[in-house]
Parts: sequence; C-alpha cells; structure tokens
Amino acid sequence: AQRVTQPEKLLSVFKGAPVELKCNYSYSGSPELFWYVQYSRQRLQLLLRHISRESIKGFTADLNKGETSFHLKKPFAQEEDSAMYYCALNGQGGSEKLVFGKGTKLTVNP
Amino acid sequence: IAGITQAPTSQILAAGRRMTLRCTQDMRHNAMYWYRQDLGLGLRLIHYSNTAGTTGKGEVPDGYSVSRANTDDFPLTLASAVPSQTSVYFCASSATPGNSPLHFGNGTRLTVT
Repeated sequence: AQRVTQPEKLLSVFKGAPVELKCNYSYSGSPELFWYVQYSRQRLQLLLRHISRESIKGFTADLNKGETSFHLKKPFAQEEDSAMYYCALNGQGGSEKLVFGKGTKLTVNP
Repeated sequence: IAGITQAPTSQILAAGRRMTLRCTQDMRHNAMYWYRQDLGLGLRLIHYSNTAGTTGKGEVPDGYSVSRANTDDFPLTLASAVPSQTSVYFCASSATPGNSPLHFGNGTRLTVT
C-alpha cells in the first residue's frame, strides 16, 4: 500500500530562516514523488517532482530511498512562501493514482 | 486560458438533496480525478477516470458517483447529501494515468446543512 506521512501540520519560521518540510513515504516499489503547493485562495499546483531534480522558487527536494523520505527544503524562506504544502506519491506501474499526505501549513513571519 | 473549470464555486445544500459538481477540462487529458480536501485529513481521492468511458473508486467513494461520457467532462454527483460531505472538492486531470503531474481546478466549497 502507498502511504505518505507529513508529520507537521503547522510550521512557522521567520523570513530568511531555512525551512524544511518533512515527507516520508511507504511503498514497496520504485516511487515517484511530488510536492504540490496551495497559496491562499489559489488552486493547488505542482511545485516540483523528484525526477526533474530541479529547484523551483528556491525549493529543492531529494529522494532518499534509504530513509524513504522526500523532504522539501529552502535555505532562506520568504513571506510569499507561506502556503499549504502537500507531498504526494505515485507508485510506478502500480495504482495509477496519486496519494497525498495530509499537508503542512507553512507560515513565514516577517 | 487552458485548464480546468469547476462549477459552482460554492454551494450551501440541505441534507438529503441531490447535487452535481461540474468539472470540465480543455487540455485533452486522458485522466481525471475528484478529491475532497478536509482540514487535518489532506486530500483524499473520491473517484477517478483513466480515460473516457471508464471510472474507478478512490479512497472515499461512498455517497458519490461519477461519469465520464467524454474526454472533457467529469461530473461528481452526491445522490443524497449528508453533513459529513461538507468539504472543498477539487477536480484534477493529468495527461496520462499514473505519474504525470496533476492540474487542479479552483475547487468547489460545499456546505451541507
């Protein structure tokens, strides 16, 4: 079974501080992982996916298969990063359906 | 602008009433999905469709039905609404079923009284 765990419901940091949003997954095969973001009053949108290995808006996430983690990181948080972040997993060749974590609400204080 | 359109934006519905949430996409995506978003529970898949003419059950399908008569439309019907169906409903699509990114609509906020 696929499962995604985001242990923090709420995360609050100050502007300029590093931020890390945790995501752990459970899947027996080779997963594909995503981070989605929902800014206030906007639709959910893809932030990044692990196969792209890219940095979006200063965020990066590395898949660690040994720790079954896909933490989202940014070295210097900005106020506009305040949003709801969802980690999601799709099992390759598996269920064909994306499973989301429960989300972490990030607040970046001035 | 290409994307997903959901209607209505919000709705207050009396318990026991029937309601259809509409979802239309113009990206010619094969796969479409309905999720509900609840505080503390995240996004949970209700139903999905990998291609026109097929549908499948997600994590929380009870009380909901869907149809996929064509590529563009994927309506979600609540046959007899109950207060526990108060939620924000998101329709999404992806080019192919599986690991392609999801594109989301703006959501429908439904309150069942």
